[in-house]
This record gives sequence, C-alpha cells and structure tokens, in this order.
Amino acid sequence: QLQLQESGPRLVKPSETLSLTCTVSGGSISRSDYYWAWIRQPPGKGLEFVGSIFYGGNTYHTPSLKSRVTISVDTSKNQFSLNLSSVTAADTAVYYCARRDDFSIIDFWGQGTLVTVSS
Amino acid sequence: DFQMTQSPSTLSASVGDRVTITCRASESINNWVAWYQQKPGRAPKLLIYKVSNLESGVPSRFSGSGSGTEFTLTINSLQPDDFATYYCQQYMTFGQGTKVEIK
Repeated sequence: QLQLQESGPRLVKPSETLSLTCTVSGGSISRSDYYWAWIRQPPGKGLEFVGSIFYGGNTYHTPSLKSRVTISVDTSKNQFSLNLSSVTAADTAVYYCARRDDFSIIDFWGQGTLVTVSS
Repeated sequence: DFQMTQSPSTLSASVGDRVTITCRASESINNWVAWYQQKPGRAPKLLIYKVSNLESGVPSRFSGSGSGTEFTLTINSLQPDDFATYYCQQYMTFGQGTKVEIK
C-alpha cells in the first residue's frame, strides 16, 4: 500500500522559506502515470493546490504562488520537496503531499503537517 | 479565473436522509470532476472520480452525476460516518466545501 509522509519544520518565521519533504513508500516515485503534488489547507478553510511535479522534473505551480514555489524530486530517495519563499502568516496551513494522475484525481494523501508562520 | 462553486456551504441532515451537494463550474468543463470527503484532522479521501465513478471501497450510497457546468454528489440514506466536509474538484481547482452536520 502506497504511503506518503510529510516532514519538515513546523514553525517558520515571516519572510523566510518554508521547506517540506514528502517520503513515498510502498511504491516508486518514478512512475510515468502519476504526478506528485502539494496541497494546503489554512486552518478552518478549504483546499488549495500548491503545485506538482513529474518524476522527470516537469512542474506545475498554482499561478498565485508561482513566483514563490519550488518543487523538486529526488528519485534516488523516493522523495519530493516543496520550498515556499517569503512566507507570511497567510501561508500558515496544513500542507499535504499527495499522488495525482493526469487529470488531477488524487488517490493517495499524506497525513498532513501544520506549518505555522510566526515570529 | 476558473472556479468551482459549491452549495450549500453547510447542510443539516438526519441519519437516513438523502442529501445532495451541487458544484457549478464557471465555464463548461470536461468530465474530470472528483469528490472528496474530509473529516476533522484527517486528509481528504477520494469518493468519486470522473463525475460518477465510485472509488474502490466507497459505499454505494454515494453517487455522482452531472455534465457541462453542474455536477452533484448524492448520499442516499445518510449514515453516522458520513457527517463530514465534502469537496468537489476539477483539475487544480477545489470547491469551497460543504459541511454535512447532524440536524
């Protein structure tokens, strides 16, 4: 059974960079039929796509965040990562890593990790 | 910007009720619409994909339908485990969510 697990700092200072890693187990990240995504959810609010990456390196970023988002993949470690720069309190959210197909159907999710932006 | 507008935002219902949640797209879209269920403190769970296809293991009381700009999720005979928040999604856009609560 595929499992995804987020890791990284839970507290980030304003203007700094939020960095998270997702470790995929139970399956290879180097599949040609799936993308690996980051989705976030501010406390008490709805879901927002942050971006996604294909194992070959092609990425997609939500337009509103595009200039601040970097997503990378490390196939040797079966991991992919998110960097979100110049964070503000508005970036406080539960960040989920997930697997999506060509049509963005998300069939596997990590448990999510709450990242708080505060000084 | 493309939007998926869900209604209602909150729905009060009783066990055994039939409930319907609607998602309207801001423009006509293809049929790659999915529905997810989320419980507090948990990741969302895929219920339905491609408008009406039930994900493996999801009870048959859940069903989806629609085309063009209007899509619906129906829960027949609401069960205690179904009280949760539901989201529609098309590509990279989610609806705002519908909370189904106990009447």
